[in-house]
Amino acid sequence: GESVGLHLPTLSVQEGDNSIINCAYSNSASDYFIWYKQESGKGPQFIIDIRSNMDKRQGQRVTVLLNKTVKHLSLQIAATQPGDSAVYFCAENMEAAGNKLTFGGGTRVLVKP
Amino acid sequence: GAVVSQHPSRVICKSGTSVKIECRSLDFQATTMFWYRQFPKKSLMLMATSNEGSKATYEQGVEKDKFLINHASLTLSTLTVTSAHPEDSSFYICSVEQGEKLFFGSGTQLSVL
Repeated sequence: GESVGLHLPTLSVQEGDNSIINCAYSNSASDYFIWYKQESGKGPQFIIDIRSNMDKRQGQRVTVLLNKTVKHLSLQIAATQPGDSAVYFCAENMEAAGNKLTFGGGTRVLVKP
Repeated sequence: GAVVSQHPSRVICKSGTSVKIECRSLDFQATTMFWYRQFPKKSLMLMATSNEGSKATYEQGVEKDKFLINHASLTLSTLTVTSAHPEDSSFYICSVEQGEKLFFGSGTQLSVL
């Protein structure tokens, strides 16, 4: 999701369900993508990354999908838990630009018990 | 990943005073650190790239005389907000570059009265 106006888009998920968070990135030359999780009052925490030569990568309970054709990135969280409640940011990077990540607007995930 | 310590976590100061924020890489020698600023419910905006032993590189629109960055060692970068004003109130976050991944500190909430 992308931020619209003054508020973050919010995804409400029932505990135990799967979550899908979407991100549209801007630069077709970007070749490296990262998902971060940010809890209130804390810095972003690395979740998972993917290079542009891949279209899927799996971690522990998380999967990142990359569709370069439409410049779309998604993060899937399996069996969402209360501890997954946070704001999730995608970030894109272009190797030629060093590590100057460009962050998306963020999506808030609220897990309902 | 790299362990990044940021201090203080919260600071309240009077308008016109200066505030120093420290970012330490605890287990990794970081030649490059990044400083970000984040407004409530917004994404992270890169302010500057801190380079060990050389001048920082500032993003467009960021006043270098207002936000002084010093990266005197491979484990410490500091951001000093000089002559702070209420509009400088924000969440400031540093990050350490390890390979192509960035690892973030816990952030500093600055409130200028």
